Amino acid sequence: AQTVTQSQPEMSVQEAETVTLSCTYDTSESDYYLFWYKQPPSRQMILVIRQEAYKQQNATENRFSVNFQKAAKSFSLKISDSQLGDAAMYFCAYRTALNTNAGKSTFGDGTTLTVKP
Amino acid sequence: DVKVTQSSRYLVKRTGEKVFLECVQDMDHENMFWYRQDPGLGLRLIYFSYDVKMKEKGDIPEGYSVSREKKERFSLILESASTNQTSMYLCASSRFLAGGPYNEQFFGPGTRLTVL
Repeated sequence: AQTVTQSQPEMSVQEAETVTLSCTYDTSESDYYLFWYKQPPSRQMILVIRQEAYKQQNATENRFSVNFQKAAKSFSLKISDSQLGDAAMYFCAYRTALNTNAGKSTFGDGTTLTVKP
Repeated sequence: DVKVTQSSRYLVKRTGEKVFLECVQDMDHENMFWYRQDPGLGLRLIYFSYDVKMKEKGDIPEGYSVSREKKERFSLILESASTNQTSMYLCASSRFLAGGPYNEQFFGPGTRLTVL
């Protein structure tokens, strides 16, 4: 079974600075998808960024980028030019590329990010 | 936009009551999920479904049941609510196909259930 570990329960960053959230995972599969989700306080969880394991290039979405190290099974999220609206709980998640298990994802325990003005 | 809606944002029930949490999605997704979210414990999967009338247990199914009579609707049932079921409940849906765009889970706003 896959496991996802987020070793930082809480992180803080100064507005306009850069922060990196860590995620490691364990799997025996070679093809899979990785996601970062954002859950703002009292608001709906939404996708921030996704990475296909077969792609070597790291995904980027505006101020959000990932550092995907497949051999090390590491998938960190970098937030550049942090904004107050980035304050949220962030979840790392894994989904197999196989069309099985109803698309279950394995989630980490989350990292609460605080952005200081 | 994909929309996943949940019947209530906040719910207060008494111990022993039967509780229904409803979730509806409008993207014709095959997969639907129920999670509970507790501080320090992340998201824990209660049940999931990959088709109408199909359901499978997740990691913590005890004390819960589910129903999926229509593709767009997935209900979570607490047969006899207990105080340890006080939690935030999140519903999610996703496409069957693992590959391609939009393969992530889409979440509802959550229902904060308090059992007194």
